Amino acid sequence: DGGITQSPKYLFRKEGQNVTLSCEQNLNHDAMYWYRQDPGQGLRLIYYSQIVNDFQKGDIAEGYSVSREKKESFPLTVTSAQKNPTAFYLCASRGAILNTEAFFGQGTRLTVV
Amino acid sequence: GQNIDQPTEMTATEGAIVQINCTYQTSGFNGLFWYQQHAGEAPTFLSYNVLDGLEEKGRFSSFLSRSKGYSYLLLKELQMKDSASYLCAVSSRSGGYNKLIFGAGTRLAVHP
Repeated sequence: DGGITQSPKYLFRKEGQNVTLSCEQNLNHDAMYWYRQDPGQGLRLIYYSQIVNDFQKGDIAEGYSVSREKKESFPLTVTSAQKNPTAFYLCASRGAILNTEAFFGQGTRLTVV
Repeated sequence: GQNIDQPTEMTATEGAIVQINCTYQTSGFNGLFWYQQHAGEAPTFLSYNVLDGLEEKGRFSSFLSRSKGYSYLLLKELQMKDSASYLCAVSSRSGGYNKLIFGAGTRLAVHP
């Protein structure tokens, strides 16, 4: 089945450690996005990519890094520079035709202790 | 920059109709989406508008006025399972890139 997969669903890390969240899609979508959601809040854009080997900063990119080496994959690294990393992280992908909706993965809940 | 505003919370009665408004400011607008999100889950797509007017999909309808930077989501025959957050998202193009920005969401509580 086609879809977008994030792993793991829950992740715990110690403060000061970098952590990488996985996002894979087999929908043949060009665009991929990473969002952060805090309790009771909306989605805030971290990074987005339209094609392989190219990505753009969103509204809250500080403390995060991404790569887009393959069309199917868009991993997000939460670095130790991110001051408040505990949050729900959502990855989405979207086709090249603009009137198509973005599809979301199930999300990764990151807790830093 | 971009700005999207929605009411924070709304309540409604089962079987009733509710309208959730969204206002936005952006350049390079190329579409507006509505998503539903239950607590702890990923958002799911409800509707899309790019031209002015009303789009109807079963119990859900969405309206867009580009000149006013305004959209609303209309939910009819409310059911308890409609209790969720409703997110307005604006797609825009800038510098050759397409961004998809979400509002803070409206939490809807449906009561018996």
